[in-house]
Amino acid sequence: ELTQPSSVSVSPGQTASITCSGEKVGQRYICWYQQKPGQSPVLVIYQDSKRPSGIPERFSGSSSGNTATLTISGTQAMDEADYYCQAWDSTTMFGGGTRLTVL
Amino acid sequence: EDQLVESGGGLVKPGGSLRVSCAASGFIFSTAWMSWVRQAPGKGLEWVGRIKSKTEGMTQDYATPVKGRFTISRDDSKNMVYLQMNSLKTEDTAVYFCTTEGSYGGVFWSWGQGTLVTVSS
Repeated sequence: ELTQPSSVSVSPGQTASITCSGEKVGQRYICWYQQKPGQSPVLVIYQDSKRPSGIPERFSGSSSGNTATLTISGTQAMDEADYYCQAWDSTTMFGGGTRLTVL
Repeated sequence: EDQLVESGGGLVKPGGSLRVSCAASGFIFSTAWMSWVRQAPGKGLEWVGRIKSKTEGMTQDYATPVKGRFTISRDDSKNMVYLQMNSLKTEDTAVYFCTTEGSYGGVFWSWGQGTLVTVSS
């Protein structure tokens, strides 16, 4: 099971951090997906910290122990969305999702 | 650019069956692992199942809630992947997304726009 905070708020230009915790997080790669209302999810981080082509540099990821973290530096209004972490071993699981609000 | 287009969603009664399809283009489909992920209204993402490539034996894996009721298949000659859903329950109501995991799984690189399946009497 992957646990995320249900909501995170951040002011424009500040840094947002979204965590994903679970007893096996440190033993496998974590991905992060962004989903805006009415749209399909988009991969923003894979293998804990790698950014796919086209994803802004302000998105970064890290993992330590049983917690992975998605960090958005210089958060913009367009970053307001739901964010999901995901892991894979014998099965695939998603975290419950975090609603990021840019106030 | 990867493109995935789902079709076949609709309204079905509890206990009924439905097959949804996904047309893929823009990448080498035959070597790609393909997955289905669903999202119930107002809820989070839930992985449904995957089918690996022919070189991996077209092995399928399923999430516990759908095991024995859902079947994923693929037609590499048509670049199509299918999700056959039987014995549908009201809790299967969701938008079903087709995704590609590339050649070795674990990362959902591209997603379709989704197709809505509603199970209701």
